Amino acid sequence: SQKIEQNSEALNIQEGKTATLTCNYTNYSPAYLQWYRQDPGRGPVFLLLIRENEKEKRKERLKVTFDTTLKQSLFHITASQPADSATYLCALSGGSYIPTFGRGTSLIVHP
Amino acid sequence: DGGITQSPKYLFRKEGQNVTLSCEQNLNHDAMYWYRQDPGQGLRLIYYSQIVNDFQKGDIAEGYSVSREKKESFPLTVTSAQKNPTAFYLCASQGTGFVEKLFFGSGTQLSVL
Repeated sequence: SQKIEQNSEALNIQEGKTATLTCNYTNYSPAYLQWYRQDPGRGPVFLLLIRENEKEKRKERLKVTFDTTLKQSLFHITASQPADSATYLCALSGGSYIPTFGRGTSLIVHP
Repeated sequence: DGGITQSPKYLFRKEGQNVTLSCEQNLNHDAMYWYRQDPGQGLRLIYYSQIVNDFQKGDIAEGYSVSREKKESFPLTVTSAQKNPTAFYLCASQGTGFVEKLFFGSGTQLSVL
């Protein structure tokens, strides 16, 4: 069966460090992988989309990689700030795939 | 301002009651989705619609119903057949196909009295 896995344990890091979140998937061949941020009691907000033929994408302090051989995406936040604390969701989509989400990883940035 | 609006923010359901969650968008998007989120869980797809007057079941459609009579609107009814309705419900819309980013509403928290 198709699976999307994100680390269920919260990631705790110190302010200024780089946070790295992982999204692994099985039995999918998605054309697109998306990352969203969700704050408590709010709807997810789109951050970045990366296509299967792209290895890396950047936006300000954010960087996403997409390895279709490993079936993995890494999401990096450099120079992290306490305001970056939130849950980050990855989603697979494209082709015949309805957007499907992982359960998300909670990031806590300590001042 | 373009966006997607969900209402109400909080909703309480009595035993045996049907309740309807509203979702409206003015982004001119064809596709709309309903997801359910339980604490510490990801988003699970309830229903989706790619075009007016057509919709498809998602992974957990039992106990729910939808309609898509207008492009802008995609209401979700939680019926009395849904025995465990307490959850955070999210509506989303998307442009062409399954490829573009999703825009989410602010969610409705449904609780059982």
